[in-house]
Amino acid sequence: AQSVTQPDIHITVSEGASLELRCNYSYGATPYLFWYVQSPGQGLQLLLKYFSGDTLVQGIKGFEAEFKRSQSSFNLRKPSVHWSDAAEYFCAVIKAAGNKLTFGGGTRVLVKP
Amino acid sequence: EPEVTQTPSHQVTQMGQEVILRCVPISNHLYFYWYRQILGQKVEFLVSFYNNEISEKSEIFDDQFSVERPDGSNFTLKIRSTKLEDSAMYFCASSRTGGNTGELFFGEGSRLTVL
Repeated sequence: AQSVTQPDIHITVSEGASLELRCNYSYGATPYLFWYVQSPGQGLQLLLKYFSGDTLVQGIKGFEAEFKRSQSSFNLRKPSVHWSDAAEYFCAVIKAAGNKLTFGGGTRVLVKP
Repeated sequence: EPEVTQTPSHQVTQMGQEVILRCVPISNHLYFYWYRQILGQKVEFLVSFYNNEISEKSEIFDDQFSVERPDGSNFTLKIRSTKLEDSAMYFCASSRTGGNTGELFFGEGSRLTVL
């Protein structure tokens, strides 16, 4: 069965500093990969997705993620965080023929002034 | 920008009562989903719905759960006889194409508290 692991439950970062959130997946083939963000009181919003092609994908709000097949990873990065980036971030996978997203446990990001 | 809306935002119910959670998906979307998140746990898939029938469901989605698209705009999740462990945030989502090719748009969630 496919699974997604986000090793970091909480990350605290200073405003203006860089951010990297880790995601590892377990799946027999290359899945489709997603990052979602959930701000307080909001639903889940798609930041970016990877299906195939260029392994570095750009998303909204200045985020990017890199797919590394050898490491089964899809880490999310932002060069300079803003206070509004404080939220919970979820990595998710879906198998090629399916409709079911499998989510990681989430990483809560706190931004210090 | 079109969005998925869910009602109620919060519902408190007694164990054994029936609950209906309502969702209005984005109007030109064809695929509909329910997910839930128990406090402190992962977001879990419950069910997907396409062409007026369930296309996939998880082991969580037992006979106590049902989904319906009664009028072409609403998409409902019914829990027939709630249990304490049904307390969770329930998210509705919709997509124009299947989830493996299209983006799922999520609502803000309905928090269900079962006492």
